[in-house]
Amino acid sequence: NAGVTQTPKFRVLKTGQSMTLLCAQDMNHEYMYWYRQDPGMGLRLIHYSVGEGTTAKGEVPDGYNVSRLKKQNFLLGLESAAPSQTSVYFCASSYERGDTDTQYFGPGTRLTVL
Amino acid sequence: SQKIEQNSEALNIQEGKTATLTCNYTNYSPAYLQWYRQDPGRGPVFLLLIRENEKEKRKERLKVTFDTTLKQSLFHITASQPADSATYLCALDIHNNNDMRFGAGTRLTVKP
Repeated sequence: NAGVTQTPKFRVLKTGQSMTLLCAQDMNHEYMYWYRQDPGMGLRLIHYSVGEGTTAKGEVPDGYNVSRLKKQNFLLGLESAAPSQTSVYFCASSYERGDTDTQYFGPGTRLTVL
Repeated sequence: SQKIEQNSEALNIQEGKTATLTCNYTNYSPAYLQWYRQDPGRGPVFLLLIRENEKEKRKERLKVTFDTTLKQSLFHITASQPADSATYLCALDIHNNNDMRFGAGTRLTVKP
């Protein structure tokens, strides 16, 4: 099992450009999440999905969109990148929510917006 | 306002000693709390989960306590080793929401 994979690992964008980050999991998990991690601020939830075809907003959703067309994939889009979106992005998945919840994280994507 | 605070950004200890990391929270009522380990350049890895009705949970050299009155969790690593050097994150469940909130983490360095 590959677990959770993320593509790409690194990316540099200019302000106003768009891009899509891809997350894939092979554990048949229902729940998937996108976080961003900034120094001194911890992980913050951007969007999440509770199953194929569903998405919901997290703590910091502005400037991002997501789609979950297939159960194993969760895409994060930036339509018009801004320097404030420079961050490390992590995708995670879990089988369920509740007190047996364990989130499995991908290796991260380091995004720089100039 | 709601806050999650981990005791310090960095903690340095000598090999063989017990490391104690603190996670304090305000204006949350989590049903459970989790601890994760994160190595540089990698994603967090789950370590332990403790529920609100549990006082203590152990796994090998790891021990977690959860005091809902003090709104605090303590994470202990006994007989610490240089390989335990990493950043440790606490995460709180948010009731009635598919959401978890993470602390900023404590970077632990175990010196040989």
